[in-house]
Amino acid sequence: DGGITQSPKYLFRKEGQNVTLSCEQNLNHDAMYWYRQDPGQGLRLIYYSQIVNDFQKGDIAEGYSVSREKKESFPLTVTSAQKNPTAFYLCASKLLRRDSTNYGYTFGSGTRLTVV
Amino acid sequence: KNEVEQSPQNLTAQEGEFITINCSYSVGISALHWLQQHPGGGIVSLFMLSSGKKKHGRLIATINIQEKHSSLHITASHPRDSAVYICAGLLFGNEKLTFGTGTRLTIIP
Repeated sequence: DGGITQSPKYLFRKEGQNVTLSCEQNLNHDAMYWYRQDPGQGLRLIYYSQIVNDFQKGDIAEGYSVSREKKESFPLTVTSAQKNPTAFYLCASKLLRRDSTNYGYTFGSGTRLTVV
Repeated sequence: KNEVEQSPQNLTAQEGEFITINCSYSVGISALHWLQQHPGGGIVSLFMLSSGKKKHGRLIATINIQEKHSSLHITASHPRDSAVYICAGLLFGNEKLTFGTGTRLTIIP
């Protein structure tokens, strides 16, 4: 079955270490997105990519980096520059609009990162 | 003020009750997602709609484009419906999502 795989589900890291979260999709979707979720807040966009080898900053990109070397993969690195990295991270993908057809998003199961 | 507002923030009901969750938005959107998030965190898209009404099992979603309002209804609610329900608007042009903060629904047996 097609879908999005995020790994690991839970991740613990020491403060000051970089950590990379994996996101893989086999849906042949064009666009991929990373969101961050904090308690009591809506999901916020970190980075997104609509085509291989290209990506754009979202609303809260500081302290994060991404790459899109393959269509199916969009890893997110949480760097030591991110001041408050403990959060739930969600990956999503989407087939971009074709003519007048609007396609929906598909979401992964998320990674809960705890920095101690 | 958030671009997407949901109400109520929390809702507790008895099994079998009819549930309504509301979503209002202030930006131009081409479609609206209703999402379900269970305690484990993963999100499932329940509906994407740009007009009218959609139904899937006991779930019904409606949208009024002129009034910039959408509702999610659950008929004959069940404890397994307990989850956070999130509405998200698909912005015109860039196809990015803007999210509400969610409604935490608890159904008591």
